[in-house]
Order: sequence, then structure tokens, then C-alpha cells
Amino acid sequence: NAGVMQNPRHLVRRRGQEARLRCSPMKGHSHVYWYRQLPEEGLKFMVYLQKENIIDESGMPKERFSAEFPKEGPSILRIQQVVRGDSAAYFCASSPPFTRGRTYNEQFFGPGTRLTVL
Amino acid sequence: AQTVTQSQPEMSVQEAETVTLSCTYDTSENNYYLFWYKQPPSRQMILVIRQEAYKQQNATENRFSVNFQKAAKSFSLKISDSQLGDTAMYFCAFMIWGSGGSNYKLTFGKGTLLTVNP
Repeated sequence: NAGVMQNPRHLVRRRGQEARLRCSPMKGHSHVYWYRQLPEEGLKFMVYLQKENIIDESGMPKERFSAEFPKEGPSILRIQQVVRGDSAAYFCASSPPFTRGRTYNEQFFGPGTRLTVL
Repeated sequence: AQTVTQSQPEMSVQEAETVTLSCTYDTSENNYYLFWYKQPPSRQMILVIRQEAYKQQNATENRFSVNFQKAAKSFSLKISDSQLGDTAMYFCAFMIWGSGGSNYKLTFGKGTLLTVNP
């Protein structure tokens, strides 16, 4: 059972370009979470998605950032018109569906995408 | 809002010795989970150990154990018989427990870089 896949592992963009980060969850997982790790910081929650639905995007910057998790294919984190401050490692995690009465679902992390904005 | 504080940016230990990493947190919630994650140089986030706040017994996983002091809001990680492969960044994290609410959002500390010396 393959783990969470993220690609690319490294992405270099110039200021003003767009960045697209992809995340394929583990087989059977329908929940995806994106976290951002700025230099010298811990991971910070950005967004929680289920298939075709954004459940919680409270950690997403209001502008330039968007996320989707279509019915088919990977989840995409899209950053438009990147700036130097967007340079960070972006981690995706996935979990199986919540079941009735279950209060915890382990999140399995991918290896991250390191975005560098020149 | 929850906060997680790791006051030791870096630590080192000799191989085969024991080391303790500190973590404190702040929350008004009564039910929650606490975690320690390991991030080796590969940057993959790996769950080391989990503690449910309602359990008084400290969690253990092989050489890893925690000292959970709920009243003091303290959650330290002890690594016994340290091995070279334990060299990594260690993050303490918090998640609210329970159905409904933000029982999926991990809040991380800034991390402690542990180096195990031969």
C-alpha cells in the first residue's frame, strides 16, 4: 500500500508565476489536509478537503491560494503570483473516512514539496 | 486557540544514552490528543507516539515514552538508548478530541533538533 505521494518534491518558481502542488492520498483515504512549514517553524494547518468539498480553509491565505480535491485525481494546492514569502515546505496528509463514534483519525503525511521562489 | 511551545531549539545526546525533549501547550479544551512527530533529514513526518488526554497512563512505544502532566500542560518525550537514526527534528503537536469541531487540525510546536552523536 503506497503512502501519500506528493509531487514535485522540489519546485522553483520566479516571482509572479504560478505553483501547482499535487497530493495523491493513500488508497482508501478520502480526506486530505495541507500544511505549510515556513523556515524554522512547525507545520501550520492550511486546509482540509474531502472529495469535491472544502471542509475547512481557515488556515489558507485569503488571496492567491486555492485548493481542490476532485472526484478523480490528486488534490491540488495552487498558488498564484507567487512571492518570496511563499517559499516553504508544503505537506499533504491523508486519513480514512471518519466512522461513527470514532474521535481520532491518524493523518499520514507525504514527503512534502519544497517551494523556492526566486 | 491552542498553542504548543517547544523551548529547546536544539539538543544533543550520546549514542545509547537517554534524552528528554520538552513540550508545553495551552488550551481551554478538556479532551484532546498530544503527539510527537519525527522529521528526519528526508523531511518525511513520522508519528512517534500519541497520548489521549483522558488517559492517566503515559504512552510508551519501544524506546519512546512520554511524561504527560495534564495539570501543568506538559508533555515531554523521553528517548532511551538513543540511536544514530534518532537524529531528526522532533515536533510536539496537539489535536482536539471528539466528534464535531476541529478534531482534525494539528497544531505543531516549532520543533527541537536532536542530534545523536556516536
